[in-house]
Amino acid sequence: KAGVTQTPRYLIKTRGQQVTLSCSPISGHRSVSWYQQTPGQGLQFLFEYFSETQRNKGNFPGRFSGRQFSNSRSEMNVSTLELGDSALYLCASSLEVGGSYEQYFGPGTRLTVT
Amino acid sequence: QQPVQSPQAVILREGEDAVINCSSSKALYSVHWYRQKHGEAPVFLMILLKGGEQKGHEKISASFNEKKQQSSLYLTASQLSYSGTYFCGTEFSGGATNKLIFGTGTLLAVQP
Repeated sequence: KAGVTQTPRYLIKTRGQQVTLSCSPISGHRSVSWYQQTPGQGLQFLFEYFSETQRNKGNFPGRFSGRQFSNSRSEMNVSTLELGDSALYLCASSLEVGGSYEQYFGPGTRLTVT
Repeated sequence: QQPVQSPQAVILREGEDAVINCSSSKALYSVHWYRQKHGEAPVFLMILLKGGEQKGHEKISASFNEKKQQSSLYLTASQLSYSGTYFCGTEFSGGATNKLIFGTGTLLAVQP
């Protein structure tokens, strides 16, 4: 089956602009999580959505927001971009059935803010 | 709040064993383990829940000591493919929602 897809793969934006990133989960997975990865801060959790509801949220400012659609696809939006928002943004979809849990990451979107 | 991973780096020969530890100062709900190779996305290895059993299969397993808020990842008879950076993610109650914080990673290099 198809893996997690993220679009776009690369993006260059200017400070002050906003950006929307998209994530399509594996078919049947209802949970989507977003992460930010930078050389300085490492891997950080942004938020998790399950059945269109935000279930968990990391410590990021309100400029970072997300949503999930009825088909489980998710988008992440960053408004008023700052230089420090340059990072690899990863999404992962997961499925929990009984006592079994699986999670798969997409390839990421590399965002550069100039 | 960030969990402490040890060691920071380890070099192994193929076939040797390794243990990576993850310690938190918070009362944990779960611990997640990932491996990431350079230039690639992380790969989920396993999740250990509070009150759950040790997880794993064959040569990669993990344990969760709730009293000490520590988790250990065990790599047995390492293979070249085990090389990469291993991250633990610790999940704890953050009020209305749970928080997930990652360690800084352990770089593992397996040599022939």
